[in-house]
Formats: sequence, C-alpha cells, structure tokens
Amino acid sequence: AQSVAQPEDQVNVAEGNPLTVKCTYSVSGNPYLFWYVQYPNRGLQFLLKYITGDNLVKGSYGFEAEFNKSQTSFHLKKPSALVSDSALYFCAVRVKAGTALIFGKGTTLSVSS
Amino acid sequence: GAGVSQSPRYKVAKRGQDVALRCDPISGHVSLFWYQQALGQGPEFLTYFQNEAQLDKSGLPSDRFFAERPEGSVSTLKIQRTQQEDSAVYLCASSPGGQGQSGYTFGSGTRLTVV
Repeated sequence: AQSVAQPEDQVNVAEGNPLTVKCTYSVSGNPYLFWYVQYPNRGLQFLLKYITGDNLVKGSYGFEAEFNKSQTSFHLKKPSALVSDSALYFCAVRVKAGTALIFGKGTTLSVSS
Repeated sequence: GAGVSQSPRYKVAKRGQDVALRCDPISGHVSLFWYQQALGQGPEFLTYFQNEAQLDKSGLPSDRFFAERPEGSVSTLKIQRTQQEDSAVYLCASSPGGQGQSGYTFGSGTRLTVV
C-alpha cells in the first residue's frame, strides 16, 4: 500500500539552529513529493515539491528538501530556524497523475527563542 | 477569487442532521479535492473532481457522504444523518491542471462538530 511516514510527532529546536523534519515514503513508481505547513485554524500552505531533476529542492521561507531515492526519503530542512517557523508540517506524495495526495500524520515543529 | 474559499468556517450539527459544506476553488482550476482531517491526524482523501466529473470517490467513508461539482467550479460536500465520528475539519483543495504537477492550493477548511 502507498504510504507516507513522519517518524517524529514533534521536533524541538532553538532559534538559529538548523532544523530537519523527516519524511519517508513507500510507493510504487516515481512519486511526486510535497511539503505543506499548517498554522492553527488555517489551511495547508504549500512549501515545496519534488517532481523530477535536481534532488535538492528549494521552497518558500528558506526551506529546502532533499529527495533520496535509495532511502525513499524527502526530509525538510532549514539552515537557521525562526520562532515563526513553529507550526505543523505535513509531507505528502502523489503516486500518479490525476490522483490525490497521500499525507503523513504531521510533525509539530517548535522553535524556542 | 484569490484563494480557495470554504464556507461555513465552523458548523455545529446535532447527530442525525444533514449538513452541506461549500468550496469555491480558484477560478479556472480544473482539479478539486476534498479531504477530511481528524484531530491530530493528517488530511485523508475523500473525493476528486476534474471539472464537473467526479473521477475518484474511493475515500468517501460511507454512502452518507456525497459530493458534487455540477458546473465544474463550486463544489458541495453533503453529509447525511451526521454521526459523532464525522466531526473533523473538511478541507478543499484545487489545482490548475488535470495532472496535478502544480502544488495544490488548500482552503482554510470547515470545522464540523457533531453533538
């Protein structure tokens, strides 16, 4: 079955430190991979996506993610965390054209000042 | 419009009532998706439209759930005889093309509470 795993329910980092939010996937074929962020009482906001090409993808607000096919991972990273980055982050995969996204359970990122 | 608009933002229904949730996608967006997000969980797929055609409804949890998009723009998700387990945030998303290579734009959701 197609699935997305976010192994950490919560990630805590200090402001200014680098952050990583982990995501692994299990799908057949070549996936399209996405990261979304959700602030309280808000919808999901698109951060970045990997379709094809360069394995390192840069997105909004200084976030980036690296696609690793051999490890079936797509970890979200940022070199220097901000308190305002504190939110709920979702990894998602789309397995083929015209189908819906499959989401992970989400990881709460907490950045302390 | 500039974004995906969903209404109402909050809905409280008594168990057994019917509810209708509305989604206004971005103008011209071909694809429209409905998701259900339970508390503390990731969104789960309900159904997908390409224009007015409902191409996938495999995620609808029961025959009490029904969705339509009759003119290929606004969509309505209807839940009949609501149950407590239907309490969740219902998210709508739209995408410009039929292939979904672009990011999906999500609305702010409708929070349904069944009492």
